[in-house]
Amino acid sequence: LAKTTQPISMDSYEGQEVNITCSHNNIATNDYITWYQQFPSQGPRFIIQGYKTKVTNEVASLFIPADRKSSTLSLPRVSLSDTAVYYCLLHTGKLIFGQGTTLQVKP
Amino acid sequence: DTEVTQTPKHLVMGMTNKKSLKCEQHMGHRAMYWYKQKAKKPPELMFVYSYEKLSINESVPSRFSPECPNSSLLNLHLHALQPEDSALYLCASSQTETAYGYTFGSGTRLTVV
Repeated sequence: LAKTTQPISMDSYEGQEVNITCSHNNIATNDYITWYQQFPSQGPRFIIQGYKTKVTNEVASLFIPADRKSSTLSLPRVSLSDTAVYYCLLHTGKLIFGQGTTLQVKP
Repeated sequence: DTEVTQTPKHLVMGMTNKKSLKCEQHMGHRAMYWYKQKAKKPPELMFVYSYEKLSINESVPSRFSPECPNSSLLNLHLHALQPEDSALYLCASSQTETAYGYTFGSGTRLTVV
């Protein structure tokens, strides 16, 4: 199964833009890139998914270069409530979680 | 209804007990999943059901027994668990097994004593 690599943790301040980069060098042709957010003692929540180029929704943007070997989740103007673990996953059939990035937003 | 509901929210059981976790969704999703999550670790896939049939068993010990009585319900029967089985058990659903955008429940916090 293709693996993803992302930073273990990141710190930011309220109002800043946060970019979390995920590496997936062995991504397969059929893989979609998907990001989930998880708060403590809750289930993960789907944020965004994409195949190539850029995808934007009301929560985040996802940037994927042409070679698709990495992707960047962009969270605009974060608030304290964005403190969570963010998972980058490659989705072909079953959803397998990697270690995730713990984002700490400070006041 | 856009939720996955899991009951109970908390469960404490002895190693000789038999208990069941319940998961329900009314979104018309035909794929349902059980994940196990230990503290500060990512969720680990346990079972996948597709159209009420077991599709994937990720080599889970037989003391965990899944059941899908109908398209809206998913159970996880527990028997003779060990303390190391204590974890957050998460249920999820998606439109089909290959569809994107899983909806997760809030989980059942299980403690085995």
